[in-house]
Amino acid sequence: NAGVTQTPKFRILKIGQSMTLQCTQDMNHNYMYWYRQDPGMGLKLIYYSVGAGITDKGEVPNGYNVSRSTTEDFPLRLELAAPSQTSVYFCASQGSSTDTQYFGPGTRLTVL
Amino acid sequence: GEDVEQSLFLSVREGDSSVINCTYTDSSSTYLYWYKQEPGAGLQLLTYIFSNMDMKQDQRLTVLLNKKDKHLSLRIADTQTGDSAIYFCAEEDTGFQKLVFGTGTRLLVSP
Repeated sequence: NAGVTQTPKFRILKIGQSMTLQCTQDMNHNYMYWYRQDPGMGLKLIYYSVGAGITDKGEVPNGYNVSRSTTEDFPLRLELAAPSQTSVYFCASQGSSTDTQYFGPGTRLTVL
Repeated sequence: GEDVEQSLFLSVREGDSSVINCTYTDSSSTYLYWYKQEPGAGLQLLTYIFSNMDMKQDQRLTVLLNKKDKHLSLRIADTQTGDSAIYFCAEEDTGFQKLVFGTGTRLLVSP
């Protein structure tokens, strides 16, 4: 099992550009999450999903969109990148309500 | 809303014990977690404690929970240089299995 994989590892965007951060898990987990981690801060939840076709906003959803067409994939879309979105983005998945969350290695995004 | 607080920095010598503290606000959290983040890596679950427990021991790790004061601590015995990392505590959101993370405590272990 690869666990939770994220691509790309690093990316630099110009203001106003768009991109999609990819997240895939091979553990057949229903729950998936996107977090951002700003320097010196804890993780903030952006969006989460309880299963294919179902998504919901977390604490800081503005400027982002998600989709969950399959159990395995949970891409995060930035439509108009802003410097405030410079952060490290972590994807996580969870199998059941009593399971823990498994994290991907992160994507470091810089918006200039 | 929920809020989880931690001290930002802890420095210890190799072989000493480390104690990382955390306070949380959601008294109905079922589980409380400790995660470790090494440089450039994602978060790795270290241990967790069920809310009806006071203490949990797992090899060099001891978790203490004081529900009355909403205080959680992680003790690392015989701290090694490989334990240098950022440690996050997290509580469960009452609505769903969403985790609310603290700001993280950077542990530096010097030889």
